[in-house]
Amino acid sequence: AQTVTQSQPEMSVQEAETVTLSCTYDTSESNYYLFWYKQPPSRQMILVIRQEAYKQQNATENRFSVNFQKAAKSFSLKISDSQLGDTAMYFCAFMKRLNTGFQKLVFGTGTRLLVSP
Amino acid sequence: EAGVTQFPSHSVIEKGQTVTLRCDPISGHDNLYWYRRVMGKEIKFLLHFVKESKQDESGMPNNRFLAERTGGTYSTLKVQPAELEDSGVYFCASSRLAGVYNEQFFGPGTRLTVL
Repeated sequence: AQTVTQSQPEMSVQEAETVTLSCTYDTSESNYYLFWYKQPPSRQMILVIRQEAYKQQNATENRFSVNFQKAAKSFSLKISDSQLGDTAMYFCAFMKRLNTGFQKLVFGTGTRLLVSP
Repeated sequence: EAGVTQFPSHSVIEKGQTVTLRCDPISGHDNLYWYRRVMGKEIKFLLHFVKESKQDESGMPNNRFLAERTGGTYSTLKVQPAELEDSGVYFCASSRLAGVYNEQFFGPGTRLTVL
């Protein structure tokens, strides 16, 4: 069974600074996806970034980037130039990569990020 | 395009009562998932529909939970009778069926409180 661990329940950062959220996972699978989801207060969860395990290059999406260390089973999220709108709960998640096109997500417990002015 | 919607947004019931949660997926999405987050814990998978068929219900806690997806459109999740430990936020997600990877789009969740 896969597990996802987020060891930082809460983080805070000031506007324009950089923050890194940690995530580790455990799996015996070789083909899988890793994700960071963001849930702003009272709003729905949205996908921030996705990493395919077979790709060595770290994924980036504008101010969001990941540091994917496959051997260490580590998948951290770096948010650069933090903005007030980045305040949210961030969930790290894992999904097996199968040919069927559908698989359940396995989530961590989340990290609450507060961006202050 | 409308996103995934869930109803109600909040529900407060007493132990022993019945509650039915509803999820309307994005139009054309054959995959529908239910997840639950108990306070302070991880979001856990409950079950997965492909169209109207249950593909995986390995996460359903017990037989007090019943999920349906009549006609392959909206889905309901009924809890009967509700217990205190059923409190949490219930999320629904949907995705397309074709291809190796399809992003799951989440609804806003239903916050269930059992007193």
